[in-house]
Amino acid sequence: DAKTTQPNSMESNEEEPVHLPCNHSTISGTDYIHWYRQLPSQGPEYVIHGLTSNVNNRMASLAIAEDRKSSTLILHRATLRDAAVYYCALGGDMRFGAGTRLTVKP
Amino acid sequence: GAGVSQSPRYKVAKRGQDVALRCDPISGHVSLFWYQQALGQGPEFLTYFQNEAQLDKSGLPSDRFFAERPEGSVSTLKIQRTQQEDSAVYLCATLGPFSNTEAFFGQGTRLTVV
Repeated sequence: DAKTTQPNSMESNEEEPVHLPCNHSTISGTDYIHWYRQLPSQGPEYVIHGLTSNVNNRMASLAIAEDRKSSTLILHRATLRDAAVYYCALGGDMRFGAGTRLTVKP
Repeated sequence: GAGVSQSPRYKVAKRGQDVALRCDPISGHVSLFWYQQALGQGPEFLTYFQNEAQLDKSGLPSDRFFAERPEGSVSTLKIQRTQQEDSAVYLCATLGPFSNTEAFFGQGTRLTVV
């Protein structure tokens, strides 16, 4: 199974951009890269996904390395409501690592 | 309903008791996943269904854990002879008919074994 590695935690100041990295060196050519986040006491919610090209939506941007062995979730202006655990997952098997706990400071 | 519904939201079981956790998927969602999430940890994959077929059960921690989805819609995760280490939040997620789209998660069932 493809695996992902993420930093355990990151901090950001409110209104500043946040770059959350994910390494997935064993990704296969057809695996999509998915990002989810989990607020306290809630189930994970979808953030964004992509295959090769960078992707943007109303929540975030996803930058995918040319070799696809890593990706970065970009929150352009962090808000207090963005404080959550962020997970990247590969392909359709929906397996998650430990995620990155993002703290946003006012 | 519009989302994935799990019931009960909370369950307290005495050690040795059997429990059944229910997941109502979004109508038409073919793929269904179960996860176990211990406190402070990420969701650990348990099992995966495509319609009624259980295609992957490699994450089930022991033969006390059993999942079914007999008609390809509602799924039940059953845990027999519960142990304290089974205490966790159990999450269900479903995917629509097209691959590589977003998954929708339920709120989870928090199981506490005492």
